[in-house]
Amino acid sequence: EAQVTQNPRYLITVTGKKLTVTCSQNMNHEYMSWYRQDPGLGLRQIYYSMNVEVTDKGDVPEGYKVSRKEKRNFPLILESPSPNQTSLYFCASSLAGQINSPLHFGNGTRLTVT
Amino acid sequence: AQKITQTQPGMFVQEKEAVTLDCTYDTSDQSYGLFWYKQPSSGEMIFLIYQGSYDEQNATEGRYSLNFQKARKSANLVISASQLGDSAMYFCAMKGNTGKLIFGQGTTLQVKP
Repeated sequence: EAQVTQNPRYLITVTGKKLTVTCSQNMNHEYMSWYRQDPGLGLRQIYYSMNVEVTDKGDVPEGYKVSRKEKRNFPLILESPSPNQTSLYFCASSLAGQINSPLHFGNGTRLTVT
Repeated sequence: AQKITQTQPGMFVQEKEAVTLDCTYDTSDQSYGLFWYKQPSSGEMIFLIYQGSYDEQNATEGRYSLNFQKARKSANLVISASQLGDSAMYFCAMKGNTGKLIFGQGTTLQVKP
């Protein structure tokens, strides 16, 4: 089954404790992206990657890191989480360079930083 | 700059009736795509329908249709014969030349029995 898998689904952590949210897709998509969703703000892009070893900042990259060492994986790293990073996070993938290619989303990770 | 605006934070519709969710956009790109996603209470994002800027016909997918008015820069989602399972948040989104998908703030739809 074609899918984007992200883990964990739920995560509660404390300020400053490094964490990684994993993301993997099995559709051979070049393009991958991370979004965060906050009430009243819709989804905002954190980082994206057009292909292996190519990553770039989105609209709200501060406090996050990503890597793309393999085509299928695109982990999101929070080196020192803070309470304002409490949010619902989505990983997504699509074909690159095709306007009509929809983003396929993972099921989301609900992160709480206390 | 590209922007998507959904002006209806919440909507109610009676079961079996049709409902229109509004979406307007702003872009200077000549070629772009418009998407609608559904987010039920369980949280996942489900792709519903796509409309290309050069498509002459309005897109349809089952009970979903997209009322595309290019001159007005609007891309409203029409859901016909609403069902209780249609209760969810709906997001309008746009992709332009950069390939980035930008989202509106979302509209929460509640279907009443």
